Amino acid sequence: QKEVEQDPGPLSVPEGAIVSLNCTYSNSAFQYFMWYRQYSRKGPELLMYTYSSGNKEDGRFTAQVDKSSKYISLFIRDSQPSDSATYLCAPRRGGSEKLVFGKGTKLTVNP
Amino acid sequence: GAVVSQHPSWVICKSGTSVKIECRSLDFQATTMFWYRQFPKQSLMLMATSNEGSKATYEQGVEKDKFLINHASLTLSTLTVTSAHPEDSSFYICSAAATTGEKLFFGSGTQLSVL
Repeated sequence: QKEVEQDPGPLSVPEGAIVSLNCTYSNSAFQYFMWYRQYSRKGPELLMYTYSSGNKEDGRFTAQVDKSSKYISLFIRDSQPSDSATYLCAPRRGGSEKLVFGKGTKLTVNP
Repeated sequence: GAVVSQHPSWVICKSGTSVKIECRSLDFQATTMFWYRQFPKQSLMLMATSNEGSKATYEQGVEKDKFLINHASLTLSTLTVTSAHPEDSSFYICSAAATTGEKLFFGSGTQLSVL
């Protein structure tokens, strides 16, 4: 079993839709859960991160972690065409900066 | 946010030549930098961890003699692909961790094409 599983999509939604992006992981030692956004042929850009279980909100973005089920989610409200990108989940252990990336989900928001 | 500069953004080279990629943290000191490789429609795969002033730590299956990493200062790490072959063609990305805090910042990536 891979350490991080993420449905690569592609996912296509109309502008204004609520988008749900998800990952599962197998390593219970993961404590930090990052979400990165990557545009084609660019480096990933950190969107937000959470520590341990719980929710974190930043504008239109909400990150959720459920450590009991090893499930990570990113919600995008009122999605915009500029949100079209590949979204990567990347958990890591405490005391380490080594990230384990999911495959990424390619999102297209249609105007 | 913090800025990580990576150069060049793309490079085309002949088989057998060596290519050097630079990664600089512009507004913070980075004791640790990471090098990743990403094939089309695949995730980022960690190649090696670069620590300032010491030898890099390579992931399993990554040839350290082929992918030379130098982290000579707190703001600069370089990756040299030696004797490049077409199968080395990929998107290479660096990231840097600030000395404090939990965030990793990424460079813009280098597309290497070996003919």
